[in-house]
Amino acid sequence: NAGVTQTPKFQVLKTGQSMTLQCAQDMNHNSMYWYRQDPGMGLRLIYYSASEGTTDKGEVPNGYNVSRLNKREFSLRLESAAPSQTSVYFCASSEAVGGGIETQYFGPGTRLLVL
Amino acid sequence: QKEVEQNSGPLSVPEGAIASLNCTYSDRGSQSFFWYRQYSGKSPELIMSIYSNGDKEDGRFTAQLNKASQYVSLLIRDSQPSDSATYLCAVNILIQGAQKLVFGQGTRLTINP
Repeated sequence: NAGVTQTPKFQVLKTGQSMTLQCAQDMNHNSMYWYRQDPGMGLRLIYYSASEGTTDKGEVPNGYNVSRLNKREFSLRLESAAPSQTSVYFCASSEAVGGGIETQYFGPGTRLLVL
Repeated sequence: QKEVEQNSGPLSVPEGAIASLNCTYSDRGSQSFFWYRQYSGKSPELIMSIYSNGDKEDGRFTAQLNKASQYVSLLIRDSQPSDSATYLCAVNILIQGAQKLVFGQGTRLTINP
């Protein structure tokens, strides 16, 4: 099992460009998450999907959109990148069902630089 | 008050000593508590979860939970240089009617040989 995979590993964008970060999990988890991590800020939740077909905003959703393509895949889109979106992005998944909190498993991360 | 607070460190501990990492949280109703370890440039990995008051031991790691004081800690016995990492505390917090996992900003731990 690969666990949680993310592509790409690194990306450099110019301000205003768009891109999609891809995430897939092979653990048959219901819930998937997107976080960003900035120095001194910890992990902040951007969006999450409690189950296939549902998505909800997290703490810092502005400037992002998500798609839960199927149970395995959850993508994060930046429509018009800004330098403030320079960060490391982590995707995670968990078995949480019905609002419970279970262990989250993280992907390797995507390092994004917006110039 | 932040929902989950940790001392950002850095915390420096000599090899072989006990490292003590602390975390406080704001929601009295929280039921699930996690400690993640994150090496520089890597993703967080779970090392301990705890759900009940008291201590939970796993090898050199002990998680301690005190719900009355809204406090969770992680003890690392016989610290090794390989334990040098950032440790993230995560707590389920009820936010706008939904349970969400909220992370502290992490404590950077350095074990000195």
